[in-house]
Amino acid sequence: NAGVTQTPKFQVLKTGQSMTLQCAQDMNHEYMSWYRQDPGMGLRLIHYSVGAGITDQGEVPNGYNVSRSTTEDFPLRLLSAAPSQTSVYFCASSSRGSNQPQHFGDGTRLSIL
Amino acid sequence: GNSVTQMEGPVTLSEEAFLTINCTYTATGYPSLFWYVQYPGEGLQLLLKATKADDKGSNKGFEATYRKETTSFHLEKGSVQVSDSAVYFCALSDSGGSNYKLTFGKGTLLTVNP
Repeated sequence: NAGVTQTPKFQVLKTGQSMTLQCAQDMNHEYMSWYRQDPGMGLRLIHYSVGAGITDQGEVPNGYNVSRSTTEDFPLRLLSAAPSQTSVYFCASSSRGSNQPQHFGDGTRLSIL
Repeated sequence: GNSVTQMEGPVTLSEEAFLTINCTYTATGYPSLFWYVQYPGEGLQLLLKATKADDKGSNKGFEATYRKETTSFHLEKGSVQVSDSAVYFCALSDSGGSNYKLTFGKGTLLTVNP
């Protein structure tokens, strides 16, 4: 019963490097989202997807790229890492319907030096 | 736009004390309301939810009632335990079905001492 799986759990990057945070869900959920969590800020939406091949920007999309080629996977790409992107990143999935909760992964803690 | 305001923490209580964490929201229509809990080093877990006015969500001794007249969804527990120490987030999804973009409060850190 895996749910939402995120890899890696921890990562340290240098400024300017690129990397991909992986997210996979096995619940056949249509919707998937990426959030970042910063101290005192709660969770802020980066990008989201309402189905394979469909993505859109959230509140803080700059510096990030996403794609969704399958229902299960929704990777988040950092194009050129900056110290301001140091954060904890959470992937979430849900089925359609405003009363359906999102299910979260355990997060990726990312540090940019 | 939508917004959620929850009481600033941190909140420190002794075991068996009564807990209230206030949450108010701004949204058009009839949003669904959620409380999530985050234990140290883990992701967010759904604690309870309410999807229409006057609904009461409950789980693990926690309760919250959807009050449309006061736009509130306060979290309560009658007797907290050390194991309840965590960060609690109030969140909403709007009535348009866009539950892929929850709006979260900033979180309240609860510490329960033995």
